[in-house]
Amino acid sequence: NFMLTQPHSVSESPGKTVTISCTRSSGSIANNYVQWYQQRPGNSPTTVIYEDNQRPSGVPVRFSGSIDSSSNSASLTISGLKPEDEADYYCQSYDANIWVFGGGTKLTVL
Amino acid sequence: EMQLLESGGGLVQPGGSLRLSCAASGFTFRSYVMAWVRQAPGKGLEWVSSISASGASTFYPDSVKGRFIITRDNSKNTVFLQMNSLRVEDTAFYYCARDVWGLGWFDPWGQGILVTVSS
Repeated sequence: NFMLTQPHSVSESPGKTVTISCTRSSGSIANNYVQWYQQRPGNSPTTVIYEDNQRPSGVPVRFSGSIDSSSNSASLTISGLKPEDEADYYCQSYDANIWVFGGGTKLTVL
Repeated sequence: EMQLLESGGGLVQPGGSLRLSCAASGFTFRSYVMAWVRQAPGKGLEWVSSISASGASTFYPDSVKGRFIITRDNSKNTVFLQMNSLRVEDTAFYYCARDVWGLGWFDPWGQGILVTVSS
């Protein structure tokens, strides 16, 4: 089994850009797609990125995803930060019938 | 509109059992892998179980293997989670989710149901 490691928290000012990392402990990050979910307090998670870098309809273009094989990690980048982006963000992937979530990152928009 | 609606949560004593249900609508239920994901209060997301579209294959992490059983009734568009030998650490919100391609993109999610294991 593998783990996905995220920073516990990040903070940035409105209008700025923030990047949240997700590092896979074993196996290649490129072998299986990575998804990113946003969870606002009291709500269920919703998808902001699927298949490493695809945005579902309705998700602003300010949200983007990427993977980096050299660091074996995925990243979620949010540009032009807005107060409503303040939430918990989780990365997630899959391998050999095991579905794995990162520990989550609390984004604070100062 | 796709919807998932969980039911069956509540308070149970350690060692007890509980059965969760998740009713699906707005998509062809029988074509999709379905999953349960839980979230302990103030903690992160943890995958709990998945079941193939036909119901023939089920998958669990070690933390619940042998205690939890996922099943489905495609005639009723419903997936179930039978939870046995419950522990205090099983206390969490339990979410039902559709696995879009069976390889880990969960969408949509239900609203979640609280299971509290306490004496």
